[in-house]
Amino acid sequence: EVQLVESGGGLVQPGRSLRLSCAASGFTFDDYAMHWVRQAPGKGLEWVSGISWNSGSIGYADSVKGRFTISRDNAKNSLYLQMNSLRAEDTALYYCAKAGGALPTNPFDYWGQGTLVTVSS
Amino acid sequence: EIVLTQSPGTLSLSPGERATLSCRASQSVSSSYLAWYQQKPGQAPRLLIYGASSRATGIPDRFSGSGSGTDFTLTISRLEPEDFAVYYCQQYGSSPTTFGGGTKVEIK
Repeated sequence: EVQLVESGGGLVQPGRSLRLSCAASGFTFDDYAMHWVRQAPGKGLEWVSGISWNSGSIGYADSVKGRFTISRDNAKNSLYLQMNSLRAEDTALYYCAKAGGALPTNPFDYWGQGTLVTVSS
Repeated sequence: EIVLTQSPGTLSLSPGERATLSCRASQSVSSSYLAWYQQKPGQAPRLLIYGASSRATGIPDRFSGSGSGTDFTLTISRLEPEDFAVYYCQQYGSSPTTFGGGTKVEIK
């Protein structure tokens, strides 16, 4: 059974940093691209960042480019999102999602339950 | 980036009725790389349809997708009580991948 478990969310002040993690199990992690998607309270889905199976292809939404960094450790079956210079508008539930193939251009076939990030003073 | 516009914003229907949801893209979606997701309150999204018309694993055949180019449709042939939820379309053929704003299917 595929499982994606996010962690690392919490309350953080504007301008500070946070690192999210996603622990994957139930599939061959290094065969698939992975993504982070966020959902602000009461709003729709917003893609944040994606990474190919070997980290050779990485992309970011314009809203986080230069502030967030995605990475993965295939030996640990883990995905990460380093979030710097956080803003109030980054407040959201952050989902880890598995792509249906090795490259980011695949639908997201499994999602975690999300970790909540709240940016407030 | 490709903007996806979903309509209507809310669809009020009764169980057993047919639901037709629309997703229109600002540019042609390459290779029909269009997916549909269902999200219920407090839950993560679930993949329903990919490649515009292929059902994901375990998805009942009352869900069907169609369309190409810039116009796509999700049809639920007969609404079951568990189908009342929010539905999102996503294009994943062009970077960045983008989602539509969602259609809420509510009980009338």
